[in-house]
Amino acid sequence: AQTVTQSQPEMSVQEAETVTLSCTYDTSESDYYLFWYKQPPSRQMILVIRQEAYKQQNATENRFSVNFQKAAKSFSLKISDSQLGDAAMYFCAYRSASGESGGSNYKLTFGKGTLLTVNP
Amino acid sequence: KAGVTQTPRYLIKTRGQQVTLSCSPISGHRSVSWYQQTPGQGLQFLFEYFSETQRNKGNFPGRFSGRQFSNSRSEMNVSTLELGDSALYLCASSLGSTADGYTFGSGTRLTVV
Repeated sequence: AQTVTQSQPEMSVQEAETVTLSCTYDTSESDYYLFWYKQPPSRQMILVIRQEAYKQQNATENRFSVNFQKAAKSFSLKISDSQLGDAAMYFCAYRSASGESGGSNYKLTFGKGTLLTVNP
Repeated sequence: KAGVTQTPRYLIKTRGQQVTLSCSPISGHRSVSWYQQTPGQGLQFLFEYFSETQRNKGNFPGRFSGRQFSNSRSEMNVSTLELGDSALYLCASSLGSTADGYTFGSGTRLTVV
């Protein structure tokens, strides 16, 4: 079974600075998707960025970018020019693309989350 | 376009009762997934439905069940509620293929007393 580990329960950053959130995962599959979701106090999970494992290029969405290291099974999120509205719980998630490990391509496996605080 | 709608937002139930939660996906989305979120266990997958068929089920007891209707709306039911069932229940919808992203609703906060 796949597992996702976020080793930083909490992080803080000054407004306008850069912060990196870590995520590692364990899988025997070669084809999969990785996601970062943000959950503010409103509770709704919001997709921040998505990476397809077969793509070498790191995904970027405005101020958000990832460092995807497939061999190391590492998927970190970098937030540049941090804003107060970035404060939230951030979850890293894994999804199989092929279901080769038995029907698991229809679910997300989440890490425990990292609570990000942005200081003004 | 409208997002994923979950009702009710909050619910308080007594041990032993049963509860039904509802999720209306984004128009055109045929897949609906359910997740349980607790401080101790984090986010755990309950089940996923696509075109009224359950495609995958998480490791939860049989007290947890779900269904999907022809309009893609989904309900989940928990029978014989236990205190440990207190959680935020999140629903997510997608078009249904493995490449698709998920859109989540704001969840139903269930408290069992």
